[in-house]
Amino acid sequence: QKEVEQDPGPLSVPEGAIVSLNCTYSNSAFQYFMWYRQYSRKGPELLMYTYSSGNKEDGRFTAQVDKSSKYISLFIRDSQPSDSATYLCAMSPTSGNTPLVFGKGTRLSVIA
Amino acid sequence: DAGVTQSPTHLIKTRGQHVTLRCSPISGHKSVSWYQQVLGQGPQFIFQYYEKEERGRGNFPDRFSARQFPNYSSELNVNALLLGDSALYLCASSFSFSRTGFLEKTEAFFGQGTRLTVV
Repeated sequence: QKEVEQDPGPLSVPEGAIVSLNCTYSNSAFQYFMWYRQYSRKGPELLMYTYSSGNKEDGRFTAQVDKSSKYISLFIRDSQPSDSATYLCAMSPTSGNTPLVFGKGTRLSVIA
Repeated sequence: DAGVTQSPTHLIKTRGQHVTLRCSPISGHKSVSWYQQVLGQGPQFIFQYYEKEERGRGNFPDRFSARQFPNYSSELNVNALLLGDSALYLCASSFSFSRTGFLEKTEAFFGQGTRLTVV
C-alpha cells in the first residue's frame, strides 16, 4: 500500500460545476497537508496549506482534512476552464524539515 | 519577488553522461529540496538541504548528489545517466525568516523544473 493514494482520473466536468478531489493516506504521523496545482510541463503551484484536521477556505477553493479517517479533500466551486490541470495532494509529518509525500495527481478538465 | 528559478529548462543527454541542474531559491528562503517527477506520477523526494547541510535523502542511488552554496542556491548532480533518469526535476524552496530571525513560513514553493531527457 502506498503512503498516499490519489485517483489519477481523468476527471471531466462542465464549467461552473463543483469539483471534489480526494486523497487517502496510511501514515498517521502526517500533520501538514497541501494541495498543489500543476499545469502541463510546469512546476507545481501551492494552492492550499493546512495543519491537522479541519477546513480552510480561500476564494473558490476549500480544503478539508479528516485525520480520523486519514482522508483529505479539495473542493473547487464554480469551476473554470482555467482550472484544468493536474491536482497533487502532498503531506508531511512536520512543517518543513521532512520531505513531502505526494499522491500521483488527479487530472482535471473543465469543459466550457 | 522572483520565485524559485531553475536552469536549464530543458536538457538532452546521452546515457552514461553526467548532468548538473541548478536552483536559486526565493530570496530569504534557507532550505532547498529536490524532487524527481516522472510522467504520470507525483514528485519523489531526492534531497533536502538547509543552511548548506544535507537534512534528508530519498531512496535514490549514489549517482545522485547535491550541495547548497552560501547564497542558498543549490546544484543537483547525476552521474552515469540511465534512460530511467528521464524526468522533470523540481526544486522547492522553503523556510523563510523575518529580518529579526523569526521563522515566518515553512511552505514549499516549486520552480518550473528542468526537463531531462536521456537518450
